[in-house]
Amino acid sequence: DIQMTQSPSSVSASVGDRVTITCRASQDIYSSWLAWYQQKPGKAPKLLIYTVSTLQSGVPSRFSGSGSGTDFTLTISSLQPEDFATYYCQQTNTFPLTFGGGTKVEVK
Amino acid sequence: QLQLQESGPGLVKPSETLSLMCTVSGGSISSSNYYWGWIRQPPGKGLEWIGSIYYTGTIEYNPSLKNRLTISVDTSKKQFSLKLTSVTAADTAVYYCARSAVVWYFDLWGRGALVTVSS
Repeated sequence: DIQMTQSPSSVSASVGDRVTITCRASQDIYSSWLAWYQQKPGKAPKLLIYTVSTLQSGVPSRFSGSGSGTDFTLTISSLQPEDFATYYCQQTNTFPLTFGGGTKVEVK
Repeated sequence: QLQLQESGPGLVKPSETLSLMCTVSGGSISSSNYYWGWIRQPPGKGLEWIGSIYYTGTIEYNPSLKNRLTISVDTSKKQFSLKLTSVTAADTAVYYCARSAVVWYFDLWGRGALVTVSS
């Protein structure tokens, strides 16, 4: 199985901050096969980004994704109050599909 | 607007079978563009993919669960289902049904159903 490791596991930030979350795969998943999700307490995950950098319809442009190979990042350029949540990466390259352990973005 | 809704018992006894159904409304389950999947999340923990099924019955299973798992689809009822046998407390989780494109990211999710395994 491909293990997905996210860092940090939590980050404290303020509104307006730039936040970067890293996701590392245990093996090469090439340049396209990664997605990012946002999950708020008691809610289902919401797809933010797929194929590394493609924004899902309706997702604000302050979210962006980049990376290739084994190292990927999710960046929130200017954190908004509604962005405090937990974020997960997912590799879509190989079965079984696997998710990272999550990064919680908390209020500083 | 397409929606997914999980249904099934919220409490299952250890060693018994967990059964959940996902009903698709507002659209077709027989689209050539999508698979229909199950993902679970133990309380306070991360996400685990369980398996996915195509409307023709083609299935991808997570090998870690495969020997206890059955996923099926009923296109006439616009439903797909999950059965997990010999459950233990480790199977306690919120179970989500979700739609994935054939490139395997999940773009539409149900609200989730909490299933507790306890005697």
